[in-house]
Amino acid sequence: DAGITQSPRHKVTETGTPVTLRCHQTENHRYMYWYRQDPGHGLRLIHYSYGVKDTDKGEVSDGYSVSRSKTEDFLLTLESATSSQTSVYFCAISGLAGGSTDTQYFGPGTRLTVL
Amino acid sequence: EDKVVQSPLSLVVHEGDTVTLNCSYEVTNFRSLLWYKQEKKAPTFLFMLTSSGIEKKSGRLSSILDKKELSSILNITATQTGDSAIYLCAVGPYSGAGSYQLTFGKGTKLSVIP
Repeated sequence: DAGITQSPRHKVTETGTPVTLRCHQTENHRYMYWYRQDPGHGLRLIHYSYGVKDTDKGEVSDGYSVSRSKTEDFLLTLESATSSQTSVYFCAISGLAGGSTDTQYFGPGTRLTVL
Repeated sequence: EDKVVQSPLSLVVHEGDTVTLNCSYEVTNFRSLLWYKQEKKAPTFLFMLTSSGIEKKSGRLSSILDKKELSSILNITATQTGDSAIYLCAVGPYSGAGSYQLTFGKGTKLSVIP
């Protein structure tokens, strides 16, 4: 168990509302990632973080922002949710001190539905 | 743009069969290739293959990396119903930012019937 949790696990919201998803880790991994998973597309990287306050865009970052104010938390915000953002969102972590930086471990996922 | 293609997209076998899943990739400055298993939840890590470790084995599962052919295979022998899952392949380059971004394939859905 890599010590990674996501909240909420399920959320239904309406178009145009802001939504924030939280990823929390307990093992001091340096790198954190947000992915979305959709049928026919597989897992796609939204944003990632390589340290506190250090973040960068992934493949599908439009409409999303992130923040990492402390090592253990990585927040994903949809400023104004759209139906195309209905998806399953996974957080992942890697880079435990003294261990491999390559292997990513995934959280349990958040199922988001935008009506 | 990095690219990962998995085949077949889906596969149905009987318990006890041996299966081979394929993954081909195009990536700049290849660093490693990873295999994950995804049941009805989050992907779980199986193997990581690199230039210095091109073969991995764990129980009935094994994987080989062919850097010349830019591909990898995942073998599962004596399949069981618990092997039913989506198997994901991912590759990643060296990243200037120091993080490790993975590009995933769309997965192979394996169904093992009794």
